[in-house]
Amino acid sequence: AQSVTQLGSHVSVSEGALVLLRCNYSSSVPPYLFWYVQYPNQGLQLLLKYTSAATLVKGINGFEAEFKKSETSFHLTKPSAHMSDAAEYFCAVSEGGGNKLTFGTGTQLKVEL
Amino acid sequence: GAVVSQHPSRVICKSGTSVKIECRSLDFQATTMFWYRQFPKQSLMLMATSNEGSKATYEQGVEKDKFLINHASLTLSTLTVTSAHPEDSSFYICSARTSGGSFHNEQFFGPGTRLTVL
Repeated sequence: AQSVTQLGSHVSVSEGALVLLRCNYSSSVPPYLFWYVQYPNQGLQLLLKYTSAATLVKGINGFEAEFKKSETSFHLTKPSAHMSDAAEYFCAVSEGGGNKLTFGTGTQLKVEL
Repeated sequence: GAVVSQHPSRVICKSGTSVKIECRSLDFQATTMFWYRQFPKQSLMLMATSNEGSKATYEQGVEKDKFLINHASLTLSTLTVTSAHPEDSSFYICSARTSGGSFHNEQFFGPGTRLTVL
């Protein structure tokens, strides 16, 4: 069985500050890992994904995430937050590329001036 | 490319009526479509997986007779909530996956449908 834990349902940062959203996973097989962003009343947009290639994955909008097998983590970072980054972020795991996604509970990112 | 649409975006209905939600892949053929529901301030929960031309596979705890899924073509899947009740009020999101090509095995999400049952 696969599962995802996102620590911190709400994260608040100042504009220009580092963004760090935490994600830990559990999977019985080598996982595929994803980060999605959701703006209010919209569907999900893929930020980045890990598919067993490079452990440091770069995504859109300046986000990146590092896969750490020893820590079973896939934390999302961005060096400098922008107001437009305010949204809900979901980490997800899949056992296999296009298979069933299991989502974490989400982290609401707030960016303050 | 890889755009998924849903219709309607919002629907309000009376208790006991049925509601149909459409999910379309606009510029690719979706061999598999997924239906999720999302309660306020919560995560997405997979309801069912449908492959074109075959019966949907429902997740444990999801009533297949209540949530009817049809995937009749490679670009359209429908979710019908039958005899809807207030507890069915939720945000329903579909995703579509294609095989082959540059988007192989990636899921693309629709914008969601907000269902409110009075």
